[in-house]
Amino acid sequence: EAGVAQSPRYKIIEKRQSVAFWCNPISGHATLYWYQQILGQGPKLLIQFQNNGVVDDSQLPKDRFSAERLKGVDSTLKIQPAKLEDSAVYLCASSLDLVDRDFPYEQYFGPGTRLTVT
Amino acid sequence: SQKIEQNSEALNIQEGKTATLTCNYTNYSPAYLQWYRQDPGRGPVFLLLIRENEKEKRKERLKVTFDTTLKQSLFHITASQPADSATYLCALANNAGNMLTFGGGTRLMVKP
Repeated sequence: EAGVAQSPRYKIIEKRQSVAFWCNPISGHATLYWYQQILGQGPKLLIQFQNNGVVDDSQLPKDRFSAERLKGVDSTLKIQPAKLEDSAVYLCASSLDLVDRDFPYEQYFGPGTRLTVT
Repeated sequence: SQKIEQNSEALNIQEGKTATLTCNYTNYSPAYLQWYRQDPGRGPVFLLLIRENEKEKRKERLKVTFDTTLKQSLFHITASQPADSATYLCALANNAGNMLTFGGGTRLMVKP
């Protein structure tokens, strides 16, 4: 079974530039997550999709970050314009379905995109 | 405010010993807790899940305990091997169980 795919693996941009990350979840997984992981910290959830609808985006800095999951499969996360503090690894994860206390499906993570903003 | 604390200092142990990692939390009533392993340059990999009404879970050389009174989970690796060297993350679900919050992780180094 193929895992979660992400691209690019690395990206270096200057502040105020734009950048986009792509994620392809495990086939058949309805729920997709984007996390931001700053060096030395745990992943922080940015946005969660169920199929092509947003479930939670309360921690997404909406003035500069946007994400979409058209057709309920692939997803893109965009930053425009980037700031120095956006330097981090952006992780995409997927799970079989919406997670709740009765069905705590595990999350499968991709390798991440390491973003450096100079 | 809600907090999840894992020891930010690396844990160094000798091969064959038992490694014990701690996850403490405050102002949470988690429906369950998960432990993940993360290697450098890779995404986290799920290891174990323990629910709020469970005291202990085992999987091969791994054991997790969950004490909701102490607000603490312990993660044990018995007969540790150098291949177990990695960062281990605990993640707490909210009461509804639909959102995970990760701790900062503890780096484990197993020396041969």
